Amino acid sequence: DIQMTQSPSSLSASVGDRVTITCRASQGISNYLAWFQQKPGRAPKSLIYAASSLQSGVPSKFSGSGSGTDFTLTINSLQPEDFATYYCQQYHTYPLTFGGGTKVEI
Amino acid sequence: EVQLVESGGGLVQPGGSLRLSCAASGFSFSTYRMHWVRQAPGKGLVWVSRINTDGSDTSYADSVKGRFTISRDNAKNTLYLQMNSLRAEDTAVYYCARAEYFGSWGQGTLVTVSS
Repeated sequence: DIQMTQSPSSLSASVGDRVTITCRASQGISNYLAWFQQKPGRAPKSLIYAASSLQSGVPSKFSGSGSGTDFTLTINSLQPEDFATYYCQQYHTYPLTFGGGTKVEI
Repeated sequence: EVQLVESGGGLVQPGGSLRLSCAASGFSFSTYRMHWVRQAPGKGLVWVSRINTDGSDTSYADSVKGRFTISRDNAKNTLYLQMNSLRAEDTAVYYCARAEYFGSWGQGTLVTVSS
């Protein structure tokens, strides 16, 4: 199975900050990488697919980059509604696997 | 608007069975592969199963293989997950999701396996 390792597992940030989350795959996955946001008690929400393509309706302050094994999610100008847990996921190979999550806290 | 609505969760004893449903609307259901993903309380997301567009091909996580069966009814725009021989470790919120990159999710249905 492909292991997805996210770092950090949690971070503290302030409103207006720029935040970067990294995700590393245990083997190359090309650009078959997605990012999700999840708030407590809610279903995950798709932010990015194909490593850098923004889902419809997602604000442009979210951006993704990377290919192969190393990927990043960047959130510009953090707002109160952005405090959540973020997950990466590879869809290159079954079983599909997720990173362990990064909790973005105030 | 894409909508996925899960149902069928509840409390079941170990060794019991449950069937989850996911009603889809707002898109051409029969043209998308569909998935089930679960999340145990306080834990991360785990992929469970996938079915292709016409239901002829399926795949499962090792943890549920032989116990869970995914299926779909394209005429009813509905995805199913038959769960047998349930264990305490199957306790989770179960989500249905569209396509390999999980572009759309349902709200989830809670399955609790406990005596």
